[in-house]
Amino acid sequence: GAGVSQSPSNKVTEKGKDVELRCDPISGHTALYWYRQSLGQGLEFLIYFQGNSAPDKSGLPSDRFSAERTGGSVSTLTIQRTQQEDSAVYLCASSSGLKLTDTQYFGPGTRLTVL
Amino acid sequence: AQKVTQAQTEISVVEKEDVTLDCVYETRDTTYYLFWYKQPPSGELVFLIRRNSFDEQNEISGRYSWNFQKSTSSFNFTITASQVVDSAVYFCALSESAGGTSYGKLTFGQGTILTVHP
Repeated sequence: GAGVSQSPSNKVTEKGKDVELRCDPISGHTALYWYRQSLGQGLEFLIYFQGNSAPDKSGLPSDRFSAERTGGSVSTLTIQRTQQEDSAVYLCASSSGLKLTDTQYFGPGTRLTVL
Repeated sequence: AQKVTQAQTEISVVEKEDVTLDCVYETRDTTYYLFWYKQPPSGELVFLIRRNSFDEQNEISGRYSWNFQKSTSSFNFTITASQVVDSAVYFCALSESAGGTSYGKLTFGQGTILTVHP
């Protein structure tokens, strides 16, 4: 079946603009995760969803970052007033549940470049 | 706090050589899972293996094998008879219950870049 998809694959924006990154999880997967991969910080957890609820937002780097999920499916990560340090690859993953045994399957990522 | 260390930043081998990627982890939990993911040049993280903290049996899958040792908090990954297609970044990751609230947040190591030359 179809895997996790993300759009756009690449996004170049100017400092100060807002951007929206989209994630379509594997059909039927109730858990969804966002991670960020940057040269300086490696792979870091941002936020997760169980259904449409995000119980833990502590990984979001600042209040310029927000995320939502609708219909227990598509999720959008929004970055307001982008800064150059936001440049990174944003990865989305989904899993069938939240148990530690539930493997996360990753999408191809969105490469964000802030000029 | 949980931590995963992959001390080898880059490894370069010639095809058909065996190569071992090291992973050392820190956790206070008794229940946790360890993972290896492969990130080829295309960028997508590919799941390779999951291991729980109660199962120290080594595992072999084709040319891949994993050695889990709780005594040294290590979960090393060996590729036998490496091939050019094995060239990628390999990540070790840890998932643990967080203060009794279990969810699958992954803590990743910094990754090891493996280059296999023909």
